[in-house]
Amino acid sequence: QKEVEQNSGPLSVPEGAIASLNCTYSDRVSQSFFWYRQYSGKSPELIMSIYSNGDKEDGRFTAQLNKASQYVSLLIRDSQPSDSATYLCAVNPGYSSASKIIFGSGTRLSIRP
Amino acid sequence: SQTIHQWPATLVQPVGSPLSLECTVEGTSNPNLYWYRQAAGRGLQLLFYSVGIGQISSEVPQNLSASRPQDRQFILSSKKLLLSDSGFYLCAWSSGQYEQYFGPGTRLTVT
Repeated sequence: QKEVEQNSGPLSVPEGAIASLNCTYSDRVSQSFFWYRQYSGKSPELIMSIYSNGDKEDGRFTAQLNKASQYVSLLIRDSQPSDSATYLCAVNPGYSSASKIIFGSGTRLSIRP
Repeated sequence: SQTIHQWPATLVQPVGSPLSLECTVEGTSNPNLYWYRQAAGRGLQLLFYSVGIGQISSEVPQNLSASRPQDRQFILSSKKLLLSDSGFYLCAWSSGQYEQYFGPGTRLTVT
């Protein structure tokens, strides 16, 4: 079982709709969770971090964490064509002492006009 | 504010040639530093990380090595490149609060 799993997509969402990206992780003691956005040919950019159960909102983005289910998600409201990118879920495993984070393989999101 | 630099941006090297990629961070002290590789259409693979000068931890066996000669400088090297070394090399830093921030990357093609 992979440590961080994501559906590779592509996920196609109409412009203006809500895009929902999901991620599961295997290490129950993980404490820190991140979402990165990566445009084609570019480096990943941190867009959200979440540390406690529940929702965290930042503009059009909402991260949701459920530690009991080992599940973290990212919602993008009012999706725009500029949101078309690969979204990487990342988790800091509980056994790491050097701020290592494990990345999922990413979900490719396409916003259609 | 913190800034991370990588160079070169792109590189084409023949098989068997040496490699040296450099990463520097500005605006922070004693960062944790990381080297990742991303093969085409694949996820990020952690290659090395460093929590201080001269302290390097290797994550995967390979023909690559890393060094940290200064607090904010991280170097990735190889004595002889393989075709399988082609990829997008990313340097990242963190302040110990777990968020990692990436540099612009170096795209390496081994021919």
